[in-house]
Amino acid sequence: GAVVSQHPSRVICKSGTSVKIECRSLDFQATTMFWYRQFPKQSLMLMATSNEGSKATYEQGVEKDKFLINHASLTLSTLTVTSAHPEDSSFYICSASTGTSGSNEQFFGPGTRLTVL
Amino acid sequence: LAKTTQPISMDSYEGQEVNITCSHNNIATNDYITWYQQFPSQGPRFIIQGYKTKVTNEVASLFIPADRKSSTLSLPRVSLSDTAVYYCLVDEAGGSYIPTFGRGTSLIVHP
Repeated sequence: GAVVSQHPSRVICKSGTSVKIECRSLDFQATTMFWYRQFPKQSLMLMATSNEGSKATYEQGVEKDKFLINHASLTLSTLTVTSAHPEDSSFYICSASTGTSGSNEQFFGPGTRLTVL
Repeated sequence: LAKTTQPISMDSYEGQEVNITCSHNNIATNDYITWYQQFPSQGPRFIIQGYKTKVTNEVASLFIPADRKSSTLSLPRVSLSDTAVYYCLVDEAGGSYIPTFGRGTSLIVHP
């Protein structure tokens, strides 16, 4: 089946630093990639939708200047958490899809655990 | 966007069949129903997707009544490894696609 990887799987950083998380579709070309955030014992919250070659679409309440998303190719999207603070500590998950429709399956990455000290 | 409602938690025992129902009263004509499974500290995994009637694959069945206002995920003969959170999503097949995860159902399978 389709495989999506995320790197790093876990990162600990100091407050004020920036962290980049990579999401790669390994064996297929992803038209669309999604970024989610998940706090402990809560559901996934969609942060943004990213299409290759175009600007990401952010959900309401998500600061686009703080969470920078770049979708440089059909196999790679990156999320940069700029000037991270402890409240940004969370589990970040990406998914990739071959289409922009609800009938297209999402293939999820394993997630990245971010801890900001 | 169609909102979904699921039971927060369910308990079962190994070998039993588990049915998890999701309500989506305002489902639209173009909406598909998709179920995902998530283990702790992992990304969700696709289980099954359907539009109407019944869909079956190697791991589950999905039952959708004629009015499509609900759907039931059926897991036959669960094992301990099926302990996870199960999410149903209802999303449009055309136009803008904004996947929205509800609270999910935490299934605990006991020995």
